Amino acid sequence: DTEVTQTPKHLVMGMTNKKSLKCEQHMGHRAMYWYKQKAKKPPELMFVYSYEKLSINESVPSRFSPECPNSSLLNLHLHALQPEDSALYLCASSQDVGTGLGTEAFFGQGTRLTVV
Amino acid sequence: GEDVEQSLFLSVREGDSSVINCTYTDSSSTYLYWYKQEPGAGLQLLTYIFSNMDMKQDQRLTVLLNKKDKHLSLRIADTQTGDSAIYFCAEIAHTGRRALTFGSGTRLQVQP
Repeated sequence: DTEVTQTPKHLVMGMTNKKSLKCEQHMGHRAMYWYKQKAKKPPELMFVYSYEKLSINESVPSRFSPECPNSSLLNLHLHALQPEDSALYLCASSQDVGTGLGTEAFFGQGTRLTVV
Repeated sequence: GEDVEQSLFLSVREGDSSVINCTYTDSSSTYLYWYKQEPGAGLQLLTYIFSNMDMKQDQRLTVLLNKKDKHLSLRIADTQTGDSAIYFCAEIAHTGRRALTFGSGTRLQVQP
């Protein structure tokens, strides 16, 4: 099973709303990632969690707040977003962080977020 | 630093071979990956190659790595219409942030 499940698939939210994106994997992976992908662009790294601890924050605005409640779950809490934050948000997981065998990352199908 | 470049578009006829190219700048890259993204979908890992290898073959896919020139290619044999997608190469560097850095993506269009 190489599945990473993201919910919801689509989300429309107003600029004053608070919402959360969810990601789940049951592969026993200890590294989980959030990426943001704008149309016709490659994914851009936002956050990396390793062993449930935040290890990388790519200078993401505080209106995006990640959370890793346990080794299988990763959330992204959204608050006071701007229309330019509309994008496909991708979650990924890998066995570990780094460059050794087993670090290939598996991606979920993404959440298509529209901020109005 | 990490910088990965790809050509933006490739069009081939069904049954032909497709070759998608990628160049990277970080000589410390340990693993290089190819991902496929269909419209509206997430990224599907196709294959990867370790930096001490020159070639890897997996069914219709052949990955060639020229480490001296920092050039990576993905060859798809007998290309099918279902192969139409965006293909991203990606690297993980041995130093720095140690997370995937993606190329700009190559849109492959397969003509029937």
